[in-house]
Amino acid sequence: AQTVTQSQPEMSVQEAETVTLSCTYDTSESDYYLFWYKQPPSRQMILVIRQEAYKQQNATENRFSVNFQKAAKSFSLKISDSQLGDAAMYFCAYRRKTSGSRLTFGEGTQLTVNP
Amino acid sequence: GAVVSQHPSRVICKSGTSVKIECRSLDFQATTMFWYRQFPKQSLMLMATSNEGSKATYEQGVEKDKFLINHASLTLSTLTVTSAHPEDSSFYICSATAQGAFGYTFGSGTRLTVV
Repeated sequence: AQTVTQSQPEMSVQEAETVTLSCTYDTSESDYYLFWYKQPPSRQMILVIRQEAYKQQNATENRFSVNFQKAAKSFSLKISDSQLGDAAMYFCAYRRKTSGSRLTFGEGTQLTVNP
Repeated sequence: GAVVSQHPSRVICKSGTSVKIECRSLDFQATTMFWYRQFPKQSLMLMATSNEGSKATYEQGVEKDKFLINHASLTLSTLTVTSAHPEDSSFYICSATAQGAFGYTFGSGTRLTVV
């Protein structure tokens, strides 16, 4: 079974600084999808960034980028120029490539942004 | 972009009564829908997966007679909590995806309080 592990229950960063959230996963699949979701206090799940395993290039979305290390099964999220609005719970997630397959979530990392 | 509407956002019910939560895909055909339960400061726990026109597949430990899921159309899935008790109080979230789609869209969640 696939598992996703986030080893940092809480992280904090100063406004305008950079922070990296860690995520590791376990799978026997060779092709799959990885995601980072943000859940602010409103509790709405918001997709931050996604990566297809067969693509070697790391995904980037504005201030958010990932470091995807397929061999190490690592998928970290880097947030640059942190803003107060980035404060939220961040979940790493995995799913198989099969259409309609379930998302497997990590335990989450609570990010605090200090002014 | 894809939108999923979830209602109600908050509901309070008396112990022993039933409550229905709706999840609607507004601009796409949701071939697969997922229902999650989330406790404070914890990750999302998958309760069941439903495919349009089929019976839902429940995760181990989830009582299918207590949590009734119906996915009768490509735009609507419902979760009915039957004979609710205080321990059923939680935050419930749905998500939906279309056939072959990369991403999954989440509803805004329902906070259920059983008194």
